[in-house]
Amino acid sequence: QKEVEQDPGPLSVPEGAIVSLNCTYSNSAFQYFMWYRQYSRKGPELLMYTYSSGNKEDGRFTAQVDKSSKYISLFIRDSQPSDSATYLCAMSAIYSSASKIIFGSGTRLSIRP
Amino acid sequence: EAQVTQNPRYLITVTGKKLTVTCSQNMNHEYMSWYRQDPGLGLRQIYYSMNVEVTDKGDVPEGYKVSRKEKRNFPLILESPSPNQTSLYFCASSLSLSGQGAKETQYFGPGTRLLVL
Repeated sequence: QKEVEQDPGPLSVPEGAIVSLNCTYSNSAFQYFMWYRQYSRKGPELLMYTYSSGNKEDGRFTAQVDKSSKYISLFIRDSQPSDSATYLCAMSAIYSSASKIIFGSGTRLSIRP
Repeated sequence: EAQVTQNPRYLITVTGKKLTVTCSQNMNHEYMSWYRQDPGLGLRQIYYSMNVEVTDKGDVPEGYKVSRKEKRNFPLILESPSPNQTSLYFCASSLSLSGQGAKETQYFGPGTRLLVL
């Protein structure tokens, strides 16, 4: 079983729709949860970052963490064609003197104009 | 401009021919890492470095070597490439990876697409 599971998609929605992207994980030691966005032929870039459980909002984006269910989500409101990209969840814990970041496999999202 | 650069961006080679992919960052970051990205498998860490002369294996280190002689550079070496190392490679850096939250934000390079025949 993978430590982090993410639905690969592809997910196609019309412009203006609310998008929900999700990841589940198995390691209860994970404390930091991140969402990266990767455009085609580019490296990933950090979109949202949260610590422990709760919600965090940044413009049209909301990240949600439910540690009791080992489930994280990214919501995109009023989706735009420019949001079309692959979204990767990532999470990390602290093991002795070094942390390790585990990435999901990514969900490919397409916003139709 | 703060950035992570990788060279080359595209490389076609043959089995067994040693190659090096360079990575450089200009943000004075302590932590650097190499990943490979394959369809359905996501990003998998190959090696990472906590600081100069400090490197350690990630999840898929077989067939790769790294060195960290200077803070800004972290080359990835394939001594004897094989076709199963055909992949998209990313170098990344961050201020630290000490569990202190935002310092873990990783900045990724543009990627190197490698084809081993």
